Amino acid sequence: DGGITQSPKYLFRKEGQNVTLSCEQNLNHDAMYWYRQDPGQGLRLIYYSQIVNDFQKGDIAEGYSVSREKKESFPLTVTSAQKNPTAFYLCASRLTTSGGRQYFGPGTRLTVT
Amino acid sequence: AQKVTQAQTEISVVEKEDVTLDCVYETRDTTYYLFWYKQPPSGELVFLIRRNSFDEQNEISGRYSWNFQKSTSSFNFTITASQVVDSAVYFCALSEYSGGSNYKLTFGKGTLLTVNP
Repeated sequence: DGGITQSPKYLFRKEGQNVTLSCEQNLNHDAMYWYRQDPGQGLRLIYYSQIVNDFQKGDIAEGYSVSREKKESFPLTVTSAQKNPTAFYLCASRLTTSGGRQYFGPGTRLTVT
Repeated sequence: AQKVTQAQTEISVVEKEDVTLDCVYETRDTTYYLFWYKQPPSGELVFLIRRNSFDEQNEISGRYSWNFQKSTSSFNFTITASQVVDSAVYFCALSEYSGGSNYKLTFGKGTLLTVNP
């Protein structure tokens, strides 16, 4: 089945550690996105990538980094510089001709203590 | 800047009641898309509908219907005869073209719908 995979579902880290969240898609979509969701909040865009080896900052990129070495993969690293990293992280992808519709993965819930 | 407002933070209904979720948006573009997504407790966003700015026809899909009115910048979502399985957070989103082949999605804060048996 085609879709987006995010692993793991739950992730726990100690404060001060970097952590990388995985996102893989087999939909052959060009664009990929990372969002952060906090309780009672909508989704906020962290980073997005339209093509391999290219990505742009979203609205809340500080403390995060990404790479796009392969079309299928768009990992997100939450660095120790991110002041409030505990959140639900959603990855999405989009077909160029889809008129904006994004397909979402199941999400990773990150807890940093 | 584009903006999406979902004024209803939480709604609670009894099964079989009809319920309408409101969505108001702001944009300067003439070409844009509007979406509704459902987020069940599992967390994954489930696509419900996409509407482009040139198509103001209302849409019905089973128990779901959408009312798009450009004059009031609203895109409201109605569930008829609600069921417990409809309990979820519902997000309205606005997509604007932002250059190249990219569309940027702006989400509202969501409405938590609880349908009680």
